[in-house]
Amino acid sequence: AQSVTQLDSHVSVSEGTPVLLRCNYSSSYSPSLFWYVQHPNKGLQLLLKYTSAATLVKGINGFEAEFKKSETSFHLTKPSAHMSDAAEYFCVVSGSSNTGKLIFGQGTTLQVKP
Amino acid sequence: GAGVSQSPSNKVTEKGKDVELRCDPISGHTALYWYRQSLGQGLEFLIYFQGNSAPDKSGLPSDRFSAERTGGSVSTLTIQRTQQEDSAVYLCASSFGMGGGAETDTQYFGPGTRLTVL
Repeated sequence: AQSVTQLDSHVSVSEGTPVLLRCNYSSSYSPSLFWYVQHPNKGLQLLLKYTSAATLVKGINGFEAEFKKSETSFHLTKPSAHMSDAAEYFCVVSGSSNTGKLIFGQGTTLQVKP
Repeated sequence: GAGVSQSPSNKVTEKGKDVELRCDPISGHTALYWYRQSLGQGLEFLIYFQGNSAPDKSGLPSDRFSAERTGGSVSTLTIQRTQQEDSAVYLCASSFGMGGGAETDTQYFGPGTRLTVL
Protein backbone atom coordinates (compact mmCIF):
# COMPACT_ATOMS: atom_id res chain seq x y z
CA ALA A 1 0.00 0.00 0.00
CA GLN A 2 1.06 3.56 -0.62
CA SER A 3 1.61 6.07 2.18
CA VAL A 4 3.34 9.33 2.96
CA THR A 5 4.79 10.64 6.18
CA GLN A 6 5.42 14.31 6.73
CA LEU A 7 8.09 14.46 9.35
CA ASP A 8 7.16 17.83 10.85
CA SER A 9 3.68 18.98 11.77
CA HIS A 10 4.86 22.57 12.20
CA VAL A 11 7.83 24.48 10.76
CA SER A 12 8.71 28.06 11.63
CA VAL A 13 11.20 30.15 9.63
CA SER A 14 12.12 33.79 9.37
CA GLU A 15 11.33 35.72 6.23
CA GLY A 16 14.22 35.47 3.77
CA THR A 17 15.60 32.21 5.18
CA PRO A 18 15.40 28.79 3.47
CA VAL A 19 12.40 26.50 3.81
CA LEU A 20 12.64 22.71 4.14
CA LEU A 21 9.49 20.60 4.51
CA ARG A 22 10.25 16.90 4.80
CA CYS A 23 8.32 14.02 3.30
CA ASN A 24 8.98 10.31 3.09
CA TYR A 25 6.86 7.95 1.04
CA SER A 26 6.20 4.27 0.79
CA SER A 27 5.09 2.72 -2.47
CA SER A 28 5.06 -0.73 -4.01
CA TYR A 29 5.54 0.73 -7.48
CA SER A 30 7.12 3.80 -9.06
CA PRO A 31 4.92 6.54 -7.63
CA SER A 32 3.68 9.92 -8.72
CA LEU A 33 4.33 12.43 -5.94
CA PHE A 34 2.89 15.86 -5.39
CA TRP A 35 3.03 18.83 -3.07
CA TYR A 36 -0.14 20.80 -2.53
CA VAL A 37 -0.54 24.03 -0.56
CA GLN A 38 -3.62 25.20 1.31
CA HIS A 39 -3.86 28.81 2.40
CA PRO A 40 -6.35 29.68 5.15
CA ASN A 41 -9.92 29.46 3.88
CA LYS A 42 -8.67 28.67 0.38
CA GLY A 43 -8.75 25.52 -1.72
CA LEU A 44 -5.86 23.16 -2.33
CA GLN A 45 -3.40 24.33 -4.98
CA LEU A 46 -0.84 22.15 -6.73
CA LEU A 47 2.73 23.34 -6.13
CA LEU A 48 4.56 20.69 -8.12
CA LYS A 49 4.49 17.05 -9.19
CA TYR A 50 6.96 14.26 -9.88
CA THR A 51 6.04 11.71 -12.52
CA SER A 52 9.22 9.68 -13.17
CA ALA A 53 10.90 12.26 -15.37
CA ALA A 54 13.52 14.61 -13.88
CA THR A 55 14.16 13.93 -10.21
CA LEU A 56 14.45 17.64 -9.40
CA VAL A 57 11.05 19.19 -9.89
CA LYS A 58 10.46 22.91 -10.02
CA GLY A 59 7.09 24.30 -9.01
CA ILE A 60 5.32 27.58 -8.60
CA ASN A 61 6.40 30.42 -6.32
CA GLY A 62 10.04 29.32 -6.24
CA PHE A 63 9.44 25.94 -4.63
CA GLU A 64 11.18 22.79 -5.75
CA ALA A 65 11.41 19.19 -4.60
CA GLU A 66 13.85 16.38 -5.23
CA PHE A 67 12.80 12.76 -5.62
CA LYS A 68 15.34 10.47 -3.96
CA LYS A 69 14.44 6.85 -4.48
CA SER A 70 17.25 5.53 -2.30
CA GLU A 71 15.95 7.57 0.62
CA THR A 72 12.25 7.30 -0.34
CA SER A 73 12.05 11.05 0.18
CA PHE A 74 10.46 13.98 -1.62
CA HIS A 75 11.40 17.02 0.44
CA LEU A 76 10.10 20.47 -0.49
CA THR A 77 12.48 23.42 -0.45
CA LYS A 78 12.57 27.11 -1.18
CA PRO A 79 15.71 29.26 -0.94
CA SER A 80 14.06 32.28 0.63
CA ALA A 81 10.76 32.32 2.51
CA HIS A 82 8.19 35.03 1.94
CA MET A 83 5.41 36.03 4.31
CA SER A 84 2.87 34.86 1.74
CA ASP A 85 4.26 31.32 1.97
CA ALA A 86 2.62 30.84 5.36
CA ALA A 87 0.13 28.01 4.80
CA GLU A 88 -0.38 24.29 5.22
CA TYR A 89 1.55 22.00 2.89
CA PHE A 90 0.60 18.46 1.97
CA CYS A 91 2.84 15.79 0.51
CA VAL A 92 0.77 13.43 -1.63
CA VAL A 93 1.29 10.10 -3.38
CA SER A 94 -0.91 8.54 -6.03
CA GLY A 95 -2.86 5.59 -4.72
CA SER A 96 -1.80 3.10 -7.34
CA SER A 97 -0.53 2.91 -10.89
CA ASN A 98 -3.96 2.92 -12.49
CA THR A 99 -6.02 5.19 -10.32
CA GLY A 100 -6.07 8.89 -9.66
CA LYS A 101 -6.83 8.36 -5.98
CA LEU A 102 -4.50 10.53 -3.92
CA ILE A 103 -3.13 9.67 -0.49
CA PHE A 104 -2.29 12.71 1.61
CA GLY A 105 0.23 13.20 4.37
CA GLN A 106 -0.92 14.77 7.60
CA GLY A 107 0.27 18.21 6.54
CA THR A 108 2.95 20.65 7.69
CA THR A 109 2.00 24.12 8.85
CA LEU A 110 4.59 26.65 7.73
CA GLN A 111 4.88 29.80 9.81
CA VAL A 112 6.93 32.69 8.43
CA LYS A 113 8.09 35.28 10.94
CA PRO A 114 8.98 38.82 9.89
CA GLY B 1 -11.68 29.52 -17.09
CA ALA B 2 -13.98 28.46 -14.28
CA GLY B 3 -12.58 26.11 -11.68
CA VAL B 4 -14.26 23.40 -9.66
CA SER B 5 -17.23 24.76 -7.78
CA GLN B 6 -19.00 23.30 -4.77
CA SER B 7 -22.22 24.12 -3.01
CA PRO B 8 -23.18 24.95 -0.42
CA SER B 9 -20.00 26.46 1.02
CA ASN B 10 -21.29 25.82 4.53
CA LYS B 11 -23.93 23.43 5.81
CA VAL B 12 -25.16 23.07 9.36
CA THR B 13 -27.48 20.18 10.06
CA GLU B 14 -28.90 18.24 12.95
CA LYS B 15 -27.81 14.74 13.80
CA GLY B 16 -29.91 12.20 11.95
CA LYS B 17 -30.76 14.42 8.98
CA ASP B 18 -29.71 13.69 5.40
CA VAL B 19 -27.51 16.14 3.47
CA GLU B 20 -26.55 16.55 -0.17
CA LEU B 21 -23.35 18.22 -1.30
CA ARG B 22 -22.85 19.27 -4.89
CA CYS B 23 -19.77 19.47 -7.09
CA ASP B 24 -19.44 21.04 -10.54
CA PRO B 25 -16.17 19.90 -12.13
CA ILE B 26 -14.13 21.79 -14.68
CA SER B 27 -15.74 21.48 -18.09
CA GLY B 28 -14.24 18.61 -20.08
CA HIS B 29 -12.76 16.81 -17.10
CA THR B 30 -13.69 13.13 -17.17
CA ALA B 31 -12.50 12.21 -13.68
CA LEU B 32 -14.12 13.48 -10.47
CA TYR B 33 -13.04 12.82 -6.90
CA TRP B 34 -14.43 13.39 -3.42
CA TYR B 35 -12.21 13.79 -0.38
CA ARG B 36 -12.90 14.63 3.25
CA GLN B 37 -10.74 16.83 5.45
CA SER B 38 -11.24 16.54 9.20
CA LEU B 39 -9.17 17.40 12.23
CA GLY B 40 -8.76 13.87 13.41
CA GLN B 41 -8.26 12.07 10.10
CA GLY B 42 -6.57 14.61 7.84
CA LEU B 43 -7.41 14.42 4.14
CA GLU B 44 -9.03 11.14 3.09
CA PHE B 45 -10.12 9.84 -0.28
CA LEU B 46 -13.81 8.94 -0.45
CA ILE B 47 -14.82 8.04 -4.01
CA TYR B 48 -13.95 8.75 -7.63
CA PHE B 49 -15.65 8.58 -10.99
CA GLN B 50 -13.91 8.09 -14.33
CA GLY B 51 -16.02 8.47 -17.43
CA ASN B 52 -18.64 5.73 -17.66
CA SER B 53 -16.69 3.23 -15.54
CA ALA B 54 -18.03 1.96 -12.24
CA PRO B 55 -16.94 4.35 -9.48
CA ASP B 56 -14.23 3.44 -6.99
CA LYS B 57 -16.08 3.58 -3.67
CA SER B 58 -13.31 2.11 -1.59
CA GLY B 59 -12.91 5.20 0.58
CA LEU B 60 -16.51 5.62 1.69
CA PRO B 61 -16.53 5.22 5.49
CA SER B 62 -19.98 3.63 5.79
CA ASP B 63 -23.08 2.76 3.80
CA ARG B 64 -24.62 6.06 4.91
CA PHE B 65 -22.40 7.70 2.30
CA SER B 66 -23.19 7.55 -1.41
CA ALA B 67 -22.42 9.59 -4.48
CA GLU B 68 -23.60 9.82 -8.02
CA ARG B 69 -22.48 11.62 -11.11
CA THR B 70 -25.17 12.52 -13.60
CA GLY B 71 -24.38 12.89 -17.27
CA GLY B 72 -20.68 12.61 -16.64
CA SER B 73 -20.55 16.07 -15.13
CA VAL B 74 -22.14 17.25 -11.87
CA SER B 75 -21.76 15.03 -8.82
CA THR B 76 -23.75 14.83 -5.61
CA LEU B 77 -22.42 13.34 -2.38
CA THR B 78 -25.20 12.24 -0.05
CA ILE B 79 -24.82 11.49 3.62
CA GLN B 80 -27.82 9.83 5.26
CA ARG B 81 -28.61 9.96 8.96
CA THR B 82 -25.71 12.29 9.65
CA GLN B 83 -23.58 11.79 12.76
CA GLN B 84 -21.37 14.27 14.58
CA GLU B 85 -18.26 12.48 13.34
CA ASP B 86 -19.33 13.38 9.78
CA SER B 87 -18.47 17.02 10.52
CA ALA B 88 -15.64 17.92 8.13
CA VAL B 89 -14.79 19.83 4.99
CA TYR B 90 -15.78 17.84 1.92
CA LEU B 91 -13.57 18.55 -1.07
CA CYS B 92 -14.22 17.78 -4.69
CA ALA B 93 -11.55 17.59 -7.39
CA SER B 94 -11.53 16.90 -11.11
CA SER B 95 -8.97 16.02 -13.77
CA PHE B 96 -8.82 15.36 -17.49
CA GLY B 97 -7.63 11.80 -17.08
CA MET B 98 -6.92 9.29 -14.37
CA GLY B 99 -3.72 7.74 -13.12
CA GLY B 100 -0.40 7.30 -14.84
CA GLY B 101 1.02 10.57 -13.60
CA ALA B 102 0.57 12.41 -16.88
CA GLU B 103 -0.13 16.13 -16.98
CA THR B 104 -3.75 15.33 -17.74
CA ASP B 105 -4.08 13.72 -14.36
CA THR B 106 -3.45 16.83 -12.27
CA GLN B 107 -6.35 17.19 -9.87
CA TYR B 108 -7.87 20.61 -9.40
CA PHE B 109 -9.70 21.13 -6.14
CA GLY B 110 -12.80 23.08 -5.32
CA PRO B 111 -13.11 25.31 -2.23
CA GLY B 112 -14.96 22.65 -0.27
CA THR B 113 -18.19 22.39 1.70
CA ARG B 114 -17.86 22.74 5.46
CA LEU B 115 -20.38 20.38 7.08
CA THR B 116 -21.24 20.79 10.74
CA VAL B 117 -23.47 18.20 12.39
CA LEU B 118 -24.98 19.37 15.68
